[in-house]
Amino acid sequence: AQTVTQSQPEMSVQEAETVTLSCTYDTSESDYYLFWYKQPPSRQMILVIRQEAYKQQNATENRFSVNFQKAAKSFSLKISDSQLGDAAMYFCAYRSALAAGNKLTFGGGTRVLVKP
Amino acid sequence: GAGVSQSPSNKVTEKGKDVELRCDPISGHTALYWYRQSLGQGLEFLIYFQGNSAPDKSGLPSDRFSAERTGGSVSTLTIQRTQQEDSAVYLCASSLSLGGSGETQYFGPGTRLLVL
Repeated sequence: AQTVTQSQPEMSVQEAETVTLSCTYDTSESDYYLFWYKQPPSRQMILVIRQEAYKQQNATENRFSVNFQKAAKSFSLKISDSQLGDAAMYFCAYRSALAAGNKLTFGGGTRVLVKP
Repeated sequence: GAGVSQSPSNKVTEKGKDVELRCDPISGHTALYWYRQSLGQGLEFLIYFQGNSAPDKSGLPSDRFSAERTGGSVSTLTIQRTQQEDSAVYLCASSLSLGGSGETQYFGPGTRLLVL
């Protein structure tokens, strides 16, 4: 079974600064997808960014980018120019590319605090 | 609709009572998922539906939990004889289809269940 680990329970960042969230995963599969979701106090999970394992290029979405290291099974999220609205729980998630494995496996989450 | 909707937003019940949680997926999405988010267990998969195929119930924690999806759209998660450990946020998500292309799962705002 796949597992996803987020080793940082909480991270604090100054507004306009950069913060990096760590995520490692364990799998024997070669084809899969990785996601970062944001969960603000409203509870709704919002997709931040996704990465296909077969792509070597790191995904980027505006101020959010990932560092995907397939051999190391690492998938970190960098938030640049942090804004107050970035404060939330962030979850890393894994999804198998196999048709039978469509469920998401989540890490434990990292709470991001943004200081004005 | 514009997004995944869930009702009720909050539910308080007494131990031993049955509860029904409802999820209305994004129009046109054929796959629907239920997850549970609790302090002790984090985010865990419960069940998913894909079209007319038999659902994957592998994540249901006990036979007190069941779910159905009528007409390929709205889904109801039922918890019978609720226990205090059932207290959690129940999240519903939907995606365009099951398969290897890694369709993104879009989440609803969740139902917070408190069992007294």
